[in-house]
Order: sequence, then C-alpha cells, then structure tokens
Amino acid sequence: DGGITQSPKYLFRKEGQNVTLSCEQNLNHDAMYWYRQDPGQGLRLIYYSQIVNDFQKGDIAEGYSVSREKKESFPLTVTSAQKNPTAFYLCASSSYWPQHFGDGTRLSIL
Amino acid sequence: GQQLNQSPQSMFIQEGEDVSMNCTSSSIFNTWLWYKQDPGEGPVLLIALYKAGELTSNGRLTAQFGITRKDSFLNISASIPSDVGIYFCAGQLEDSNYQLIWGAGTKLIIKP
Repeated sequence: DGGITQSPKYLFRKEGQNVTLSCEQNLNHDAMYWYRQDPGQGLRLIYYSQIVNDFQKGDIAEGYSVSREKKESFPLTVTSAQKNPTAFYLCASSSYWPQHFGDGTRLSIL
Repeated sequence: GQQLNQSPQSMFIQEGEDVSMNCTSSSIFNTWLWYKQDPGEGPVLLIALYKAGELTSNGRLTAQFGITRKDSFLNISASIPSDVGIYFCAGQLEDSNYQLIWGAGTKLIIKP
C-alpha cells in the first residue's frame, strides 16, 4: 500500500543525546515536511524539502537537523541543542497539495 | 507570524446534531484544507478547497472557501460517535509555495 511510514512510534531521549526520527514515503511525492505538535496546539513547521538534496527551515528549526539524500526519505534529527524536545512529531509529503501525513513519533525525555 | 483563528476551541454535542466550525484570518489564502486527527495518529485529509466560493462535500461533511479568501468553514451533519476527534484547518497563503498555516484545532466531543 502507498503511504508514509514513520518510525519509531515512541522514542525516549537522554540528556545530551541526539536522536533521529525516520520518515519514508512511497507515494513518489517531491515535497516532504516535518511538523511538531504540542498538546492543544496546531502543527508547527520544523523543516521542509521540495526536492532531493535541498531543504528549508520552517518556523521552529532551531535544535533540529534534516537531510534529503533520497526522494523517499526525510529523516529528522533532534539534537541536544533542542532543550524542550518532548512532543509529537509528524512527517508529511505532497505533490503540491494536499499534504498527507504519517502516524507520528512521540518523543519523550528520560 | 501569520495566524489562523479557528473556532470554537471545543464542542460538546449530542449524537445526531449538526456541527459547524470555522477558520478566519486577516491574510489571503490560495488553498484551504480540513483535516481530522484521532489520538496518537496523524491528521487525515477530509476536504481540500482550491477556489474562492468553492463548496465541497464529502459524505456528511461540507466545507466552503470564503469569497474574501480569508476564511473557511466546515459543517458536519447528523453527527455520529466516530466523528469525535480534533479538526484542523490549514491554509496556503497567496505568497507562499509549499508552506501551510495551521489553526489550533476544534475538539469535538459527543455527549453520551
């Protein structure tokens, strides 16, 4: 089935540790996105990529990094510089509009 | 930054009632999208609107792209228990490319 796969479903981070969230899509979409969702709030854009080997910062990119080496994959690294990483992270992809989402990764601090 | 005002924040309704929610902004949008999110899952697209004045239905759901291009509403008729969840609007600003602006969501709760 075509879709967007995020892994893992749950992730725990220790102080000072970098963690990487995986996002893979087989929809042949050019654009991919990472959002952060906090309880009771809308989605905030972290990074987006319109094409392989190119990406742009969103509204809250500080403390995060991404790569786009393949069309199908857009991993997000939450670095130790992100002091408040506990949130629900959502990956999306699109061929212009609309955006389609994966099922998310919930990141917590140990 | 740009903002979308989504209201109401939450709704308590009886099964069978109709539901209405909306999003407004001072900015002009080219696209409006309505999503539903269940707990622990990603948002699922309900309706996409691409033209001012457009009125689109998806089963019991109806959404409209406001004529001023600054607002949109979503109606749900004859609500059922599986309608429970959080509904989000998202809009593409007229001067943006791939970025969406998101509302804070409307939480729909059905009273037993």
